[in-house]
Amino acid sequence: NAGVTQTPKFRVLKTGQSMTLLCAQDMNHEYMYWYRQDPGMGLRLIHYSVGEGTTAKGEVPDGYNVSRLKKQNFLLGLESAAPSQTSVYFCASSSDRVGLSTEAFFGQGTRLTVV
Amino acid sequence: KNQVEQSPQSLIILEGKNCTLQCNYTVSPFSNLRWYKQDTGRGPVSLTIMTFSENTKSNGRYTATLDADTKQSSLHITASQLSDSASYICVVSPRGGGSQGNLIFGKGTKLSVKP
Repeated sequence: NAGVTQTPKFRVLKTGQSMTLLCAQDMNHEYMYWYRQDPGMGLRLIHYSVGEGTTAKGEVPDGYNVSRLKKQNFLLGLESAAPSQTSVYFCASSSDRVGLSTEAFFGQGTRLTVV
Repeated sequence: KNQVEQSPQSLIILEGKNCTLQCNYTVSPFSNLRWYKQDTGRGPVSLTIMTFSENTKSNGRYTATLDADTKQSSLHITASQLSDSASYICVVSPRGGGSQGNLIFGKGTKLSVKP
């Protein structure tokens, strides 16, 4: 079982470049999330989706856009990368709201460096 | 402000020994508390999920306890193995945390098990 798969695993960008991170899940989950993890900090929610065609802002959404055109995919876009966006990005999915003690499954992460 | 604090920041133990990791939170009211294991370069993997009404939950050699009165949780690892070397993250979900049921992550405790 693949679970949650993130593409790419590593990427180096120059300041001002754009890119899209892809998250794919094969568990038919409704909820999907994008987090970033920085040294010395807990994971922080960037954007999330409660179903196909929906997106919403999380705690740190500035500089990012997302799309959920298909239920199994959740894309995270950086239109003009900045060094402050250097981080490890994690995608996660769940079948229902995590507030209901629903299990959340995480991908393996994408390490992004902006120079 | 909702916060999750973990201690110690890092810990080194010998293989076969037991250890206990601490989590203090200020999230109130909360829906559930989770412990995740994150291997280096990997995404977090769930160990336990406890609702506010549960006191303890086990998963093999991992036992989590929860005291909702003092807002403290602990993760006890029995008979540690080299494969237990990882970061352990405490996560709290506030009750009524919006449609996505937000998760508030601690910074983690980095555990190293030495032979």
